[in-house]
Amino acid sequence: EVVLTQSPATLSLSPGERATLSCRASQSVDIYLAWYQQKPGQAPRLLIYDASNRATGIPARFSGSGSGTDFTLTISSLQPEDFAVYYCQQRKYWPPLTFGGGTKVEIK
Amino acid sequence: EVQLVESGGGLVQPGGSLTISCSASGFTFSSYEMNWVRQAPGKALEWVSYIDRSASRMEYADSVKGRFTVSRDNAKNSLYLQMNSVTAEDTAFYYCARDPHSGSRFDSWGQGTLVTVSS
Repeated sequence: EVVLTQSPATLSLSPGERATLSCRASQSVDIYLAWYQQKPGQAPRLLIYDASNRATGIPARFSGSGSGTDFTLTISSLQPEDFAVYYCQQRKYWPPLTFGGGTKVEIK
Repeated sequence: EVQLVESGGGLVQPGGSLTISCSASGFTFSSYEMNWVRQAPGKALEWVSYIDRSASRMEYADSVKGRFTVSRDNAKNSLYLQMNSVTAEDTAFYYCARDPHSGSRFDSWGQGTLVTVSS
């Protein structure tokens, strides 16, 4: 099973700041990694797939990069609606499809 | 507009059974693979099950294998998860999620249905 480790667990930033979230895989997953955003009481929303492709309707301030075992989700300038929990997910080796433990982006 | 609506959650006793459903609209259901993903309160997301377009391939997480069964009815635009021999560890919100291809990504999600296992 591919284990995804997200860091940091919590990121405290102010609106307008840049957010950098990390996801590390226990083995190479090539580019087969997605990112999701989840706000309290809501279902997750797809942001990025195949490491760097923005999903439909996702603002350009969200970008993904990386390949192999190290991936990054960057939010260039945090908006109030971006404070949420973010998860990464791999589909290179499955079953099982696996998610990371999440990074909470909170207001500083 | 793509819509996925789960239903059927509730309170079930340990060792009991429950079937939850997901009704799809706004897209050609039979053209998409589908998954169930769950989330225990305050915890991370956990993939549960996958079914392909024609229900010829199903996959399960080890934690539910042999107890849960995923199925679909393309004529009714519906996805199901039959849950047997449930335990407290199965308590979670259960989301259905649309999948364009073999776990590539979950591009649309339902709002979730809560399953609580308790005596």
